Amino acid sequence: AQSVSQHNHHVILSEAASLELGCNYSYGGTVNLFWYVQYPGQHLQLLLKYFSGDPLVKGIKGFEAEFIKSKFSFNLRKPSVQWSDTAEYFCAVNLNNAGNMLTFGGGTRLMVKP
Amino acid sequence: DTGVSQDPRHKITKRGQNVTFRCDPISEHNRLYWYRQTLGQGPEFLTYFQNEAQLEKSRLLSDRFSAERPKGSFSTLEIQRTEQGDSAMYLCASSPRGEETQYFGPGTRLLVL
Repeated sequence: AQSVSQHNHHVILSEAASLELGCNYSYGGTVNLFWYVQYPGQHLQLLLKYFSGDPLVKGIKGFEAEFIKSKFSFNLRKPSVQWSDTAEYFCAVNLNNAGNMLTFGGGTRLMVKP
Repeated sequence: DTGVSQDPRHKITKRGQNVTFRCDPISEHNRLYWYRQTLGQGPEFLTYFQNEAQLEKSRLLSDRFSAERPKGSFSTLEIQRTEQGDSAMYLCASSPRGEETQYFGPGTRLLVL
């Protein structure tokens, strides 16, 4: 069964610091990869996604992620975080073209200090 | 608001009672998904529908859990004989035909006393 691991459960950064959140998945087939964000009191929102093509994908609010197939990784990055980025971040995977379930990682709670 | 909506947003019930949650997907989205999220964890897939057909239900947590989508529009998730371990956030998501991205609703938070 496929699984998703997020290495950092809690991250605390100061504003303007750079961010990298790790995500690894275990599945040998073709997958779709997602990062979702959940701001305090809000529902899950899509941050960015990778289906195919350029392995460096750009999302909303200055976030980007790089798919490294050989490492089964899809790490999320942002060069300079803001206080408003305080949220919980979830990596998710599903099978390509299967239109089915997402498998989520356990989430990383990010706190940005002003 | 044209996003996924869920009702109720909060539900408190006593152990042993039955509860039913409703999800209204985004208009024209043919796939609808149910997930459960417990504190400190990522969402866990339960079941999904394509139109009115339930295509995957082996992940429902027990036979106390059931879901329907009778007309291919809204869906209901029922939990019978609730237990304290059922306390969680129940999330609904939908996606349009031909697209893999799932759009999530605000969830129903269930507390079983």
